[in-house]
Amino acid sequence: QQQVKQSPQSLIVQKGGISIINCAYENTAFDYFPWYQQFPGKGPALLIAIRPDVSEKKEGRFTISFNKSAKQFSLHIMDSQPGDSATYFCAASEGNTPLVFGKGTRLSVIA
Amino acid sequence: GAGVSQSPRYKVAKRGQDVALRCDPISGHVSLFWYQQALGQGPEFLTYFQNEAQLDKSGLPSDRFFAERPEGSVSTLKIQRTQQEDSAVYLCASSLRSRKGNTEAFFGQGTRLTVV
Repeated sequence: QQQVKQSPQSLIVQKGGISIINCAYENTAFDYFPWYQQFPGKGPALLIAIRPDVSEKKEGRFTISFNKSAKQFSLHIMDSQPGDSATYFCAASEGNTPLVFGKGTRLSVIA
Repeated sequence: GAGVSQSPRYKVAKRGQDVALRCDPISGHVSLFWYQQALGQGPEFLTYFQNEAQLDKSGLPSDRFFAERPEGSVSTLKIQRTQQEDSAVYLCASSLRSRKGNTEAFFGQGTRLTVV
């Protein structure tokens, strides 16, 4: 059973547009929800993270929206740029346990 | 170095050969994780250390996989009698431990293992 389900699998967005990636989770004990960005040949790098005591967190062009009752969280990338083209992974964990990752979304931002 | 360092970056092994993958975590990071990433997939958890103690090895796919962190810093993931299905990128991550729960996990660039 996949604990974190991510969609869409791939996404094409025009430069300047908004990219939206969604994740749903099953385990209500999860208390940490990060998003990672990965470029080809590189390891994942933390983009932004949220804990369930807030419903939204914004850092620059990146926003996480969190819906605890629906067990869903999403990443919004405002004013998407070609340099944002990468694979994005949502993840979740409980306490100090290892992160569980979604399957990833390949984002392409075209000019 | 400032980040998580993994070596080698690339490894080609003949089927049946043993391999050892090394991870140098960020200095002072208590937690160390190994993940396996197949092409086009998300990282899949293999095993986890807190200092030298291996707290969880539930993700290791078979008894051919073995990991150690004897002095609580550098870790080695060993795969015995490699099979073609072992071909993947092996990622190492480290993090500080907090009473509030997980903190940022910093990943290395990974070791790409190809079994031929």
